[in-house]
Amino acid sequence: QVQLQESGPGLVKPSQTLSLTCTVSGGSISSGGYYWSWIRQPAGKGLEWIGRIYASGSTNYNPSLKSRVTISVDTSKNQFSLKLSSVTAADTAVYYCARDHDGYGANFDYWGQGSLVTVSS
Amino acid sequence: QSVLTQPPSASGTPGQRVTISCSGSSSNIGTNYVYWYQHLPGTAPKLLIYRNNQRPSGVPDRFSGSKSGTSASLAISGLRSEDEADYYCAAWDDSLSGPVFGGGTKLTVL
Repeated sequence: QVQLQESGPGLVKPSQTLSLTCTVSGGSISSGGYYWSWIRQPAGKGLEWIGRIYASGSTNYNPSLKSRVTISVDTSKNQFSLKLSSVTAADTAVYYCARDHDGYGANFDYWGQGSLVTVSS
Repeated sequence: QSVLTQPPSASGTPGQRVTISCSGSSSNIGTNYVYWYQHLPGTAPKLLIYRNNQRPSGVPDRFSGSKSGTSASLAISGLRSEDEADYYCAAWDDSLSGPVFGGGTKLTVL
């Protein structure tokens, strides 16, 4: 059974960089066949896809966040990470990592439990 | 504003059949698969329907999905109290080169 777990600071100051890591167990990122995504949900709002990475390191980002987002992968640790720079209060959200089964779809079959990140001074 | 449009709320009584709609455009639903998620507060979203009408293992056949043109629907039959949750549709968007979600529909079981 594949499991994903987000980790990282729960509080980030405005203008700083939000950093989260997703640790995958029960399956290997390097085996390929899946994309690994970050998705967020601000309080009271819907889900927003942030971006994704393939085992090779190839990435795709949401155009609305692209200038501030970097997603990287460490296959030796079976982890992938999110960095979001120049954060504001609007970036306060629950951040999820998820496995995407389809290359051109939204087939997120496994999710982490979510990590609440608050942007505040 | 979400790219895919869903009604903010829906309701039904136990045993009833309810449907939730999802409207998109030719760049997403019109040309790509639709997916549906169930989300309970404090938990991870759960994939209910993939590729328009397929159910993952373990999802009851009370849940079904359909698509027509640039719209899609999720139907829940034999409504149960545990079905009370937020439901999201999603699809790949060719213009954005990424997946997009609906704004979510809060289902209340009366």
